[in-house]
Amino acid sequence: DVKVTQSSRYLVKRTGEKVFLECVQDMDHENMFWYRQDPGLGLRLIYFSYDVKMKEKGDIPEGYSVSREKKERFSLILESASTNQTSMYLCASRDLGLGHYNEQFFGPGTRLTVL
Amino acid sequence: SQKIEQNSEALNIQEGKTATLTCNYTNYSPAYLQWYRQDPGRGPVFLLLIRENEKEKRKERLKVTFDTTLKQSLFHITASQPADSATYLCAPHTGGFKTIFGAGTRLFVKA
Repeated sequence: DVKVTQSSRYLVKRTGEKVFLECVQDMDHENMFWYRQDPGLGLRLIYFSYDVKMKEKGDIPEGYSVSREKKERFSLILESASTNQTSMYLCASRDLGLGHYNEQFFGPGTRLTVL
Repeated sequence: SQKIEQNSEALNIQEGKTATLTCNYTNYSPAYLQWYRQDPGRGPVFLLLIRENEKEKRKERLKVTFDTTLKQSLFHITASQPADSATYLCAPHTGGFKTIFGAGTRLFVKA
């Protein structure tokens, strides 16, 4: 059974803290993604990685960075957490496949609250 | 800019009826379109993909249509059940690395 796991389901941090969100996939997928999801706004892409050590900015990268040192692991880093980063964070992976038709597999999400 | 519209209002239907959800897109021409299901507090799960040269796709009680002239996809669940209650996201895709998702439509099926 394919799996994407995220390090925490719920996280509470204080403003200014550095926050690490970890994502691991066991499917040997090349592509990995980080999204945030807010009510009424849907999924918004923060960063994605098409291969190890490769990363590209998504639509809302400000205040975030990422790291992909190993194929199975993609980390999202909030350099200095702020209250407007309170959100649900979702990691996904995708097999490269042909023409990028392949679906994304999502993790269960991390609900982050920044106080 | 590229835009995806799904009904922001929840859809309430009676068990056994057909649920129809709409996805409209503007300012781009997707090569294919995906539909996902998301339950509260969980990540989305892929359901179906339809390509631009396909008018209709079926999978069990699910049916998806794709009208590139109207720039619209319809997602149907026939003989709906309370277990079908969830949020359904559409994702028109141009074929690059990025996928843009709609905000989703919440479906409630009453027993």
